[in-house]
Amino acid sequence: DIQMTQSPSSLSASVGDRVTITCRASQGIRNDLGWYQQTPGKAPKRLIYAASTLQSGAPLRFSGSGSGTEFTLTISSLQPEDFATYYCLQHNSYPLTFGGGTKVEIK
Amino acid sequence: QITLKESGPTLVKPTQTLTLTCTFSGFSLSTRGVGVGWIRQPPGEALEWLALIYWDDVKRYSPSLKSRVTITKDTSKNQVVLTVTNMDPVDTATYYCGHKTYYGVDVWGQGTTVTVSS
Repeated sequence: DIQMTQSPSSLSASVGDRVTITCRASQGIRNDLGWYQQTPGKAPKRLIYAASTLQSGAPLRFSGSGSGTEFTLTISSLQPEDFATYYCLQHNSYPLTFGGGTKVEIK
Repeated sequence: QITLKESGPTLVKPTQTLTLTCTFSGFSLSTRGVGVGWIRQPPGEALEWLALIYWDDVKRYSPSLKSRVTITKDTSKNQVVLTVTNMDPVDTATYYCGHKTYYGVDVWGQGTTVTVSS
């Protein structure tokens, strides 16, 4: 199984801050990775696919980068509606695996 | 517009079998490359992938649950069914189904919460 190690598990930030979240795969997954945002009581919503392609409708302040084993989600200027939990998901091989999540909280 | 909706019991007893249905619209499960998958999320915990079924009836399962989980499709009804046998309180979770393409899972349903308790 491919392990997805996501860091940090939580962070506190202020509106306007630049935020970076990382996922590391235990083996190479090319760019077969998506980033998801989940708010309490809601389904995950995809922000990024193919590691760096912005999902249609997702705000431009979200960006993704990386390939192989290291991936990053960046929020360029944190907005109030961005306080949520973020997950990466690899679909390169089975079983599909999620990162452990990053909870972004208000400082 | 792709939409999916999960349905099934909200409460099951330990040792019972859970059957969940994912009813979708906006795509066909007979289209090459398309799949429907299931994930779950225990209260306060992370997401866990369970199973996937593809347009050609290829099925993939999480190794940790493979002996207990079955996924099937009814293309004519636009439905995918997940069954989980021998339910346990640790299986208490919100269960989601999602639409998968070559680029991963793009849309999830709203989820259905299942509690396992006697």
